Amino acid sequence: DAKTTQPPSMDCAEGRAANLPCNHSTISGNEYVYWYRQIHSQGPQYIIHGLKNNETNEMASLIITEDRKSSTLILPHATLRDTAVYYCIVRPGTGTASKLTFGTGTRLQVTL
Amino acid sequence: AAGVIQSPRHLIKEKRETATLKCYPIPRHDTVYWYQQGPGQDPQFLISFYEKMQSDKGSIPDRFSAQQFSDYHSELNMSSLELGDSALYFCASSLGLNPLTGAYGYTFGSGTRLTVV
Repeated sequence: DAKTTQPPSMDCAEGRAANLPCNHSTISGNEYVYWYRQIHSQGPQYIIHGLKNNETNEMASLIITEDRKSSTLILPHATLRDTAVYYCIVRPGTGTASKLTFGTGTRLQVTL
Repeated sequence: AAGVIQSPRHLIKEKRETATLKCYPIPRHDTVYWYQQGPGQDPQFLISFYEKMQSDKGSIPDRFSAQQFSDYHSELNMSSLELGDSALYFCASSLGLNPLTGAYGYTFGSGTRLTVV
């Protein structure tokens, strides 16, 4: 699986957009970008995934660069409950039983 | 909606004892994954099962074993426990080869916190 690089920590004011970057320069053609988050000691939670097009759901938006070497997760209006560690993970396909390999992630602190 | 159920939530064992962790996947999910997360660490993949067969193996100690049963629940057996085995153990489930459901990622349980004293 391709490796990812994320900043270790970020701060965001409540109500503002949180933009979390991820570099995955060695991503291959069949690998998707997944984002998960882990709120303190809880099980990781799926947020969003994409292949090459930008994606949006009720939780977040995912912007993937045209060369697919980096992406940005956007939480449009961060709240205190969004404080968590955010993991960017690349893995093959959507129909395979392949594992998720967690890197170090970004610790997002949302403040008043 | 039904989620991934793990039991027990908390477990305290002494060194050299044995522990069994259980995981009940979301109904109709056929793939189970086990992860270990030590204090201040990121989740580390241990092992996975698809349709009751081991599908992948990570950094799982030889003292640990796991299996998936006919009803798709899974158990992680840990023997000769060491202090370093103290961690959160997460189970996740997915539909392994379903191109639709698999696209939405795995669902994780709330974890079992194992403390070895």
